Amino acid sequence: DAKTTQPPSMDCAEGRAANLPCNHSTISGNEYVYWYRQIHSQGPQYIIHGLKNNETNEMASLIITEDRKSSTLILPHATLRDTAVYYCIVRVGGNAGNMLTFGGGTRLMVKP
Amino acid sequence: NAGVTQTPKFRILKIGQSMTLQCAQDMNHNYMYWYRQDPGMGLKLIYYSVGAGITDKGEVPNGYNVSRSTTEDFPLRLELAAPSQTSVYFCASSKADTQYFGPGTRLTVL
Repeated sequence: DAKTTQPPSMDCAEGRAANLPCNHSTISGNEYVYWYRQIHSQGPQYIIHGLKNNETNEMASLIITEDRKSSTLILPHATLRDTAVYYCIVRVGGNAGNMLTFGGGTRLMVKP
Repeated sequence: NAGVTQTPKFRILKIGQSMTLQCAQDMNHNYMYWYRQDPGMGLKLIYYSVGAGITDKGEVPNGYNVSRSTTEDFPLRLELAAPSQTSVYFCASSKADTQYFGPGTRLTVL
């Protein structure tokens, strides 16, 4: 699986959009970008994933660059409950047997 | 659905003791996983299973054993607990692209 690079920490004001970047310059053509988050002391929670098109769900939007070497997770209106560590993971999609490899992630602090 | 459940929530072991961490899911998922998370670090895969009767090693399997006799249950066994196994253990299950995680078991070995 391709490795990812994320900033270790970010701050965001409550109510503003949080934009979390991820670099994955060695991504392969059949690898998807997945985002999970982990709120303190809880198990990780799936947020969103995509291959090459931008994706949106009730939690967030995922913007993938045209060359697929980087992506941005967008939380449109961050709340205090979005304070968590966000993990960007790249792996082959469509097969539940492919394991998730968690790096250090980005610690997002949403401030009042 | 309860999703993925884990017991116990907390446990303190003495060096050399053994214990089993329980994990169950009620979503009829074929795939199940065990991860450990050390303080300030990401998760590392210990073992995984692709279905009842089938298990395989992950990144850090030493000191652990697993079994999968049913689709629902995937227990993790520590035979001789060591201080290096102090960690938070997460169980997960999946059917397609999304993994669902349990609340974790916080284990301390003294």
